[in-house]
Amino acid sequence: EAQVTQNPRYLITVTGKKLTVTCSQNMNHEYMSWYRQDPGLGLRQIYYSMNVEVTDKGDVPEGYKVSRKEKRNFPLILESPSPNQTSLYFCASSLWGRGGDGYTFGSGTRLTVV
Amino acid sequence: AQSVTQPDIHITVSEGASLELRCNYSYGATPYLFWYVQSPGQGLQLLLKYFSGDTLVQGIKGFEAEFKRSQSSFNLRKPSVHWSDAAEYFCAVGASRGSTLGRLYFGRGTQLTVWP
Repeated sequence: EAQVTQNPRYLITVTGKKLTVTCSQNMNHEYMSWYRQDPGLGLRQIYYSMNVEVTDKGDVPEGYKVSRKEKRNFPLILESPSPNQTSLYFCASSLWGRGGDGYTFGSGTRLTVV
Repeated sequence: AQSVTQPDIHITVSEGASLELRCNYSYGATPYLFWYVQSPGQGLQLLLKYFSGDTLVQGIKGFEAEFKRSQSSFNLRKPSVHWSDAAEYFCAVGASRGSTLGRLYFGRGTQLTVWP
């Protein structure tokens, strides 16, 4: 089954403790992206990657890192999480250049930073 | 810069009534347009999309949307709402060219409540 898999689904952590949210897709998509969703703000893009070793900032990249060493994986790294990073996070992938077409979203990761 | 505006934060309708959710966008070229739905505690599901051609597009669950270039709008409609349509709805614009090609920009969402 074609899918984007995020782990974990739920995570509670403490301020300053480094964490990684994993994202993996099995569709051979070039394009992968991370979004955060906050009430009243919709989904905002954190980082995106157009292919292996090619990443770029989205609209809210502060406090996050990403890497794209393999085509299928696009982990989101919070080096020193803070409470304002409490949010619902979505990973997505698509074929490159399709203008948003064919986006497949993961099921989401609900992160709470205390 | 690309942007998507959903003017209505919250809409309440009675079951069986018609529905229209508004979406306006700002984009320098012809955009790709999408509507997504998110049920409570769930991920995002694509309702419909517009790339080109017929400006009235049909989607799943009985939804349709009309692209109006002159108004920079892509409003979502349904003739008769069901209680199961209660959810949050997001309009999105896909960048069709340039340095932002491939990016997807979302509106802030419209929460739909359906009264029995």
